[in-house]
Amino acid sequence: GAVVSQHPSRVICKSGTSVKIECRSLDFQATTMFWYRQFPKQSLMLMATSNEGSKATYEQGVEKDKFLINHASLTLSTLTVTSAHPEDSSFYICSARDSTSGGWTGELFFGEGSRLTVL
Amino acid sequence: AQSVAQPEDQVNVAEGNPLTVKCTYSVSGNPYLFWYVQYPNRGLQFLLKYITGDNLVKGSYGFEAEFNKSQTSFHLKKPSALVSDSALYFCAVRDITTGGFKTIFGAGTRLFVKA
Repeated sequence: GAVVSQHPSRVICKSGTSVKIECRSLDFQATTMFWYRQFPKQSLMLMATSNEGSKATYEQGVEKDKFLINHASLTLSTLTVTSAHPEDSSFYICSARDSTSGGWTGELFFGEGSRLTVL
Repeated sequence: AQSVAQPEDQVNVAEGNPLTVKCTYSVSGNPYLFWYVQYPNRGLQFLLKYITGDNLVKGSYGFEAEFNKSQTSFHLKKPSALVSDSALYFCAVRDITTGGFKTIFGAGTRLFVKA
């Protein structure tokens, strides 16, 4: 099956620093990837849609200058949390749409998530 | 607007008993419905989907879901629960109103299977 690798799985950083999270589709092409944030015991909150070769589309209320998204290749999207603060601590998950062939019916393949702790 | 609702925060079932995790949907047009499972501190795993065709959809790990158009439901079922099925389950619908790539997730239902 399609595999999405997300790295790092856990990261601890100091307040004010930046953290980069990578999301890779290992065996398929992904022109579209999605970044979510999940709070404890809550559902996924879509932060942005990452489009290969173009700017990401951010959801309302998500600061694009704080959560920088880059999707420079068909298999890699990155999320950079800039000037991180303790309130940015969360579980971040990426997912990818398999765009290798046509006829996508909607299933997503998820990374394992990245737990960010900002001290 | 497209939406899904999972009315139960938690479902408890004894091992070996059948389980049902409920989901209702509200969509314009034909629904593209999905179930995902999330184990602790992990990403989500795709279980099954309904696009068209048979109302009973079979998926991974022995799970199945029944699409019911009149009741706008898509309940997840398994004939015999395992302790290892304990996890967080999400019902989801593809949002076709925004170009078709977004997915809307329900709030999630935590399943506890007791030995």
